[in-house]
Amino acid sequence: AQKVTQAQTEISVVEKEDVTLDCVYETRDTTYYLFWYKQPPSGELVFLIRRNSFDEQNEISGRYSWNFQKSTSSFNFTITASQVVDSAVYFCALSAQFYNQGGKLIFGQGTELSVKP
Amino acid sequence: GAVVSQHPSWVICKSGTSVKIECRSLDFQATTMFWYRQFPKQSLMLMATSNEGSKATYEQGVEKDKFLINHASLTLSTLTVTSAHPEDSSFYICSARGLGQGLTDTQYFGPGTRLTVL
Repeated sequence: AQKVTQAQTEISVVEKEDVTLDCVYETRDTTYYLFWYKQPPSGELVFLIRRNSFDEQNEISGRYSWNFQKSTSSFNFTITASQVVDSAVYFCALSAQFYNQGGKLIFGQGTELSVKP
Repeated sequence: GAVVSQHPSWVICKSGTSVKIECRSLDFQATTMFWYRQFPKQSLMLMATSNEGSKATYEQGVEKDKFLINHASLTLSTLTVTSAHPEDSSFYICSARGLGQGLTDTQYFGPGTRLTVL
């Protein structure tokens, strides 16, 4: 079975604080992709990053960074120096056996991040 | 690049009427489109997967006669909610996965359609 767990339902921080959103996944597949999406209050999901299971390199994009650790089945997302505009719901997702299963995304429950000024 | 649009962005209809929602990939060809439903404060629930020119594959528990999906071209998929009832009120989101480098590995989402059935 495939599953994505985002244990943090809501996080509230003050602007300029660093914040880490946790994501733990389960899959028996050896080939899979992990994703993070941002859903601001407007509702549209914005793609942030895709990682394949063979690439454990951490990635940094501006204030965003991602830590992928296969040993702990985690794909955590850190926002450095958070801003009010970062307030949104963030979803972690898994797509396993891409071709065999049609590339369906398994979503976590989402973490609602509130950044206060 | 990889822009997906949905129309309408919101719709209010009377119980018993049918509503059609369009999902378009604007700058790429979408071989596969997905339809999701999202309730307030909840995650996305996949309703169906649609491949161009083929019948949609519905997830367990989703009524295919109620939620009609058509994917007639590589840039357009439609979801028709037939004989809508208040319990069908929800936020419907489509996504598209396309051809070309990077596009086949990622789903790009539309802005969503908020349906309210009175």
